[in-house]
Amino acid sequence: ETGVTQTPRHLVMGMTNKKSLKCEQHLGHNAMYWYKQSAKKPLELMFVYNFKEQTENNSVPSRFSPECPNSSHLFLHLHTLQPEDSALYLCASSQANDRASYEQYFGPGTRLTVT
Amino acid sequence: EDKVVQSPLSLVVHEGDTVTLNCSYEVTNFRSLLWYKQEKKAPTFLFMLTSSGIEKKSGRLSSILDKKELFSILNITATQTGDSAVYLCAGTGSARQLTFGSGTQLTVLP
Repeated sequence: ETGVTQTPRHLVMGMTNKKSLKCEQHLGHNAMYWYKQSAKKPLELMFVYNFKEQTENNSVPSRFSPECPNSSHLFLHLHTLQPEDSALYLCASSQANDRASYEQYFGPGTRLTVT
Repeated sequence: EDKVVQSPLSLVVHEGDTVTLNCSYEVTNFRSLLWYKQEKKAPTFLFMLTSSGIEKKSGRLSSILDKKELFSILNITATQTGDSAVYLCAGTGSARQLTFGSGTQLTVLP
């Protein structure tokens, strides 16, 4: 078990539902990330928070809304998703400074199925 | 746009074989290259490489970086069935974020 936890581990939701994914890191890191992993595709970076401020939003549709209330917690709020949003959503954290943010530690992921 | 390409996409070997996984990268203001192993769940960190020509080693796994030719290799010797996984390569550059390759699916048969 890593120092990054995610809940729920599995989620099935309809296209009209609203749900949230939660991530918590116990490593004392100051940067947190959301990734999407679809079958046969590379990991896609969705959002980055450094020191609780969002620094990256890789053209993610507005039906995904991140929230970072503190450096240990990260949420991904979901609403009116599409079936193609079904994927494994991974949270990661790292220590970041002015020069770089390298080694990221991943949570176990949430397997999301949109019906 | 940063790009990381891994080859082969999949590989099937028998226990005891040695495998070499390849990763080439085009990353603006490249800083480091990382290898991860992903089984059924989250990727787990293997190596971080920042300097050319210096081999990093952990048990049967080793990796080396060539910053001139922009590639890295991951070697696994005396493979075991527990080595079966997707091996991910990622580069980090000036944006400080990781750009991942598609991964190599390694299957080790008994």
